[in-house]
Amino acid sequence: KQEVTQIPAALSVPEGENLVLNCSFTDSAIYNLQWFRQDPGKGLTSLLLIQSSQREQTSGRLNASLDKSSGRSTLYIAASQPGDSATYLCAVEYNFNKFYFGSGTKLNVKP
Amino acid sequence: KAGVTQTPRYLIKTRGQQVTLSCSPISGHRSVSWYQQTPGQGLQFLFEYFSETQRNKGNFPGRFSGRQFSNSRSEMNVSTLELGDSALYLCATRWGSNTGELFFGEGSRLTVL
Repeated sequence: KQEVTQIPAALSVPEGENLVLNCSFTDSAIYNLQWFRQDPGKGLTSLLLIQSSQREQTSGRLNASLDKSSGRSTLYIAASQPGDSATYLCAVEYNFNKFYFGSGTKLNVKP
Repeated sequence: KAGVTQTPRYLIKTRGQQVTLSCSPISGHRSVSWYQQTPGQGLQFLFEYFSETQRNKGNFPGRFSGRQFSNSRSEMNVSTLELGDSALYLCATRWGSNTGELFFGEGSRLTVL
C-alpha cells in the first residue's frame, strides 16, 4: 500500500528563517512527486513537480529534492515570509494520474 | 490562460438527494481527476478520466460516478447522499499521462444535512 507521510504536521517560525519540510513515501517506484500549497478554504496551488529521473527542482525561494532510493523528498523555503503561511502538501504519483497525498504541514510564519 | 473552473462552488443538500459537480479543465488538458478532501481523511483520489475513458478509480462506493465529455469537461455525480459525503471536492487537470504538473480548481464545497 502506498503511503505518504509529512513531518512535521505543523511548524511555526519567525519571518526570515530558512526551513525544510519533509515528505516520505513507502514505494520508490514513482513517476512524479509534486509539492502544493493550500490556503484555507481554497484549492491547491502547484509549487514544484519533480520527475522520477530528476533529483531536484527550484523555483524562486523554493527548492525541492527527491531521493527515490530512500523514499524521501524535502521542500526547502528560503527567507520565509508571512505570505508563505499555508498548508504544504506532498503528492506522489504511482500510476495513471493517480496521486497519493500526505496529510500536509501547516506552516505559520510570524511577522 | 484560464485555470481549472469548478461549479458550483458551494452547495447544500439533504441526505438521500443526489448532486452533480462540474469541472472545466485548462485548455488543452485531456486528463481530469477528482479528489475528495475531508479533515479526517485528507485528500483521497476518486477517479481519473482521459479522452472520455475512466482509467483509474479510487476506493469509493458506486454512488460516486463520473464522466468526461469530448471537450474534456468532466462531471462527477454522487447519488443517495450521506452525511459523510460532506467534503471539498477538487478537480485536477493535466495535459498528458504521467506528464506535467497537476493543476487544481478551487473546489466545490458540499454540505449534506
